[in-house]
Amino acid sequence: KAGVTQTPRYLIKTRGQQVTLSCSPISGHRSVSWYQQTPGQGLQFLFEYFSETQRNKGNFPGRFSGRQFSNSRSEMNVSTLELGDSALYLCASSLREQGLRGTEAFFGQGTRLTVV
Amino acid sequence: AQSVTQPDIHITVSEGASLELRCNYSYGATPYLFWYVQSPGQGLQLLLKYFSGDTLVQGIKGFEAEFKRSQSSFNLRKPSVHWSDAAEYFCAVGGTGRRALTFGSGTRLQVQP
Repeated sequence: KAGVTQTPRYLIKTRGQQVTLSCSPISGHRSVSWYQQTPGQGLQFLFEYFSETQRNKGNFPGRFSGRQFSNSRSEMNVSTLELGDSALYLCASSLREQGLRGTEAFFGQGTRLTVV
Repeated sequence: AQSVTQPDIHITVSEGASLELRCNYSYGATPYLFWYVQSPGQGLQLLLKYFSGDTLVQGIKGFEAEFKRSQSSFNLRKPSVHWSDAAEYFCAVGGTGRRALTFGSGTRLQVQP
């Protein structure tokens, strides 16, 4: 069974540009969550999508957005990139919504975004 | 608000020695607790989880963790560390009504030959 797939693995963008990251969850999983990982702030929750609906959102500016498609694949978009957006972006896949008893989150290898 | 504290930023142990990584959580109800491991440049791999029941849980790679409600702790242990265990370890808490996982700041494990 294939794991969580994130593409691309590495990205270099310029300040002011926008970027789209992709996540394909484990087959049959309907929840996709996104996390940002930086040395200074650690792992921070961005948002969760379940059945194409955003179910939960972290404390990030509106420049960070996401969506989920009918096949459960998800994309996140960051507009007007800032240097501080440089981070490892991790996607997590779950069979059900996070927070439900017995729900495990499985992570992809992440996309390393560097903003210059 | 829920939170997770991993008091040790960095730990060095000798290969073959035992290991205990500390995790303390703050959560108003029964928590769901997880330990993840991350190798450099990689994603997070789930080591083990606690949802309910037996407070001593077994995970992959020979790891175990014990949930102690009275101490709000969920420490990770391994009786004999291998060089391949060198990585960063994250404790996380989740629960009903709070869908997102809250992670600790991580403990970096170095293994000496």
